[in-house]
Amino acid sequence: AQTVTQSQPEMSVQEAETVTLSCTYDTSESDYYLFWYKQPPSRQMILVIRQEAYKQQNATENRFSVNFQKAAKSFSLKISDSQLGDAAMYFCAFIEAPQGGSEKLVFGKGMKLTVNP
Amino acid sequence: EPEVTQTPSHQVTQMGQEVILRCVPISNHLYFYWYRQILGQKVEFLVSFYNNEISEKSEIFDDQFSVERPDGSNFTLKIRSTKLEDSAMYFCASNLLYNEQFFGPGTRLTVL
Repeated sequence: AQTVTQSQPEMSVQEAETVTLSCTYDTSESDYYLFWYKQPPSRQMILVIRQEAYKQQNATENRFSVNFQKAAKSFSLKISDSQLGDAAMYFCAFIEAPQGGSEKLVFGKGMKLTVNP
Repeated sequence: EPEVTQTPSHQVTQMGQEVILRCVPISNHLYFYWYRQILGQKVEFLVSFYNNEISEKSEIFDDQFSVERPDGSNFTLKIRSTKLEDSAMYFCASNLLYNEQFFGPGTRLTVL
């Protein structure tokens, strides 16, 4: 069974500083996709960044970047120049290559990020 | 920008009652999903739906749950006889295969 582990339940960062959120996963598949979703207090799920397992290059979206280590099954999220609006729950998630019309997302337990002014 | 919508935003019901949660996925999407998040816990997959049938369901999705796409736009989740433990946030999502799943804002279900 696929599992996603986020070992840090909470973190805090000073505004304008950099923070790294860790995530590990377990799968026997070689083709899959990894995601970081952000859930602010409104509880809306917002995609932050995605990474395809076949791509060696780490994904980047503005202030957000990932460190994807396929052999170690590690997928960490780095937030640079943290802003107050980055405060939220962050969920790491995983999809195996689609099977028969389903892309089931498997989520980690989440990590609460606090940004201090 | 197209978005997934869900109604109602909050539903309060008595234990044993039936509830229907409604979702309007993005119009050109082909794959539809329901997820559940009990307060303070992780988001859990319930069911995926493609080509007018269930393509995958989780252990949570037992006989009291059903999904339907009654017309070309709506996607519904029915809980036949609600239990206290069904209280949760229910998210609908949709996508085109190999692409990002777009989530709706969620329906908060409270079972009393």
